[in-house]
Amino acid sequence: SAVISQKPSRDICQRGTSLTIQCQVDSQVTMMFWYRQQPGQSLTLIATANQGSEATYESGFVIDKFPISRPNLTFSTLTVSNLSPEDSSIYLCSTRGSYLSYEQYFGPGTRLTVT
Amino acid sequence: RKEVEQDPGPFNVPEGATVAFNCTYSNSASQSFFWYRQDCRKEPKLLMSVYSSGNEDGRFTAQLNRASQYISLLIRDSKLSDSATYLCVVSSGGFKTIFGAGTRLFVKA
Repeated sequence: SAVISQKPSRDICQRGTSLTIQCQVDSQVTMMFWYRQQPGQSLTLIATANQGSEATYESGFVIDKFPISRPNLTFSTLTVSNLSPEDSSIYLCSTRGSYLSYEQYFGPGTRLTVT
Repeated sequence: RKEVEQDPGPFNVPEGATVAFNCTYSNSASQSFFWYRQDCRKEPKLLMSVYSSGNEDGRFTAQLNRASQYISLLIRDSKLSDSATYLCVVSSGGFKTIFGAGTRLFVKA
């Protein structure tokens, strides 16, 4: 299984600003995923980030709001831009055990509160 | 209809009880099935995969019924430490993974 770390673990931001979340995996992985989990809700996939190509966004999520970088096979960032209180959520980075496996492993999450 | 549906609970059970969670999925082409556990303010963690033949891991038994598009998780001899939210997860081709909303379990002494 992959070991995933995220920074920051939590932040409180003012509306209109942006927050960049970093995700580091202890091994090289092809696909990294960014999820959002709103209070009391399950996980919603924001986008899939592959190294060397643009991220693929799910319906309802756009690159201008959630730009993603994937500079190498162990690292990715998610930026949540132009923050509003509705962006208050937990953001989770994830990867798979292997390219052929659907088992997913998650980072500890970043708890964002927008005031 | 949601792609993956679970009873949200909460389930409140005494220690030692047996509890069962159910999950249904809508995509008949789904290929892989899992149960994840999520503790309060923590990330989801893989509990077990679910195979067509059913599988058991200690006190936990998972079963899959493809004909009915139904997955179950049985926990025997519940412990206080089993208190968590249990997420049903279904994957289809193209790396699409759908998480259920989760079922909350509270085990009380």
